[in-house]
Amino acid sequence: GAGVSQSPSNKVTEKGKDVELRCDPISGHTALYWYRQSLGQGLEFLIYFQGNSAPDKSGLPSDRFSAERTGGSVSTLTIQRTQQEDSAVYLCASSPELAEGQETQYFGPGTRLLVL
Amino acid sequence: AQSVTQLGSHVSVSEGALVLLRCNYSSSVPPYLFWYVQYPNQGLQLLLKYTSAATLVKGINGFEAEFKKSETSFHLTKPSAHMSDAAEYFCAVSGEAGTALIFGKGTTLSVSS
Repeated sequence: GAGVSQSPSNKVTEKGKDVELRCDPISGHTALYWYRQSLGQGLEFLIYFQGNSAPDKSGLPSDRFSAERTGGSVSTLTIQRTQQEDSAVYLCASSPELAEGQETQYFGPGTRLLVL
Repeated sequence: AQSVTQLGSHVSVSEGALVLLRCNYSSSVPPYLFWYVQYPNQGLQLLLKYTSAATLVKGINGFEAEFKKSETSFHLTKPSAHMSDAAEYFCAVSGEAGTALIFGKGTTLSVSS
C-alpha cells in the first residue's frame, strides 16, 4: 500500500518568506508526527497529532512554526518569516494508533528546505 | 525525561565483518526502543523494536539487538556486513504514553570491500 508522502520534496525560499510543507499519512493512521533533521541537531520532534485530541506542540522551536491537520488526515506544517536556521529536512511520520509508545512510526521521504 | 546516546558518530567495517552500533538509553519508565535506518535522501525505515516481549529482538536485513536493562543498552549487531548496509542508523526511545520518539544523534556506517 501507499506509504507516507510529503510535498514538496525540495523547497528553496528567501529569508522572511512563509513556507508550507504537506504530509499525507498512511490511510487509517490516527497519529501523525513532524520532526526536523538538521546538521548538528539530529532528529528533533516538532509536533504530533492524535485523533481529535489537541496536538502536542511542545517541540515547536518558535511561534513562527505552526501545523494543522484537517479531517484527521493531511497535515500542513507552516513556517512564517523563515530564517536561515530553519534550513533542514522536515520529516513526517504516522502510526496506526498510540499504545504507550509501542507503535511503529512510518516515515515519509522528507522535505528538504533551504532558506537563502 | 528520556534520552538516547549513540556512541560513535561514524563506524567503519570491512565487508563480512561484524557490525556493532552502540546505543544507551535513559528512561524513568519502562522504555520502548527502536532502531531506524536512513539511506541517502530517504526517510527512516524501521529495523527493529523492543516492546518488552523478548530481550533479543530480530529485525530486517539480518540485524538484531539485545535489550540489557542492567546496562541500559540496546546495541545493534549484524554478524556479517554487506556493502548495502552503508547508511545512517538511529536509535530511539519512547515510553511515556502520548510522546514522540526521542532519537540519538545517529551513527553513520561505512562498509568497505
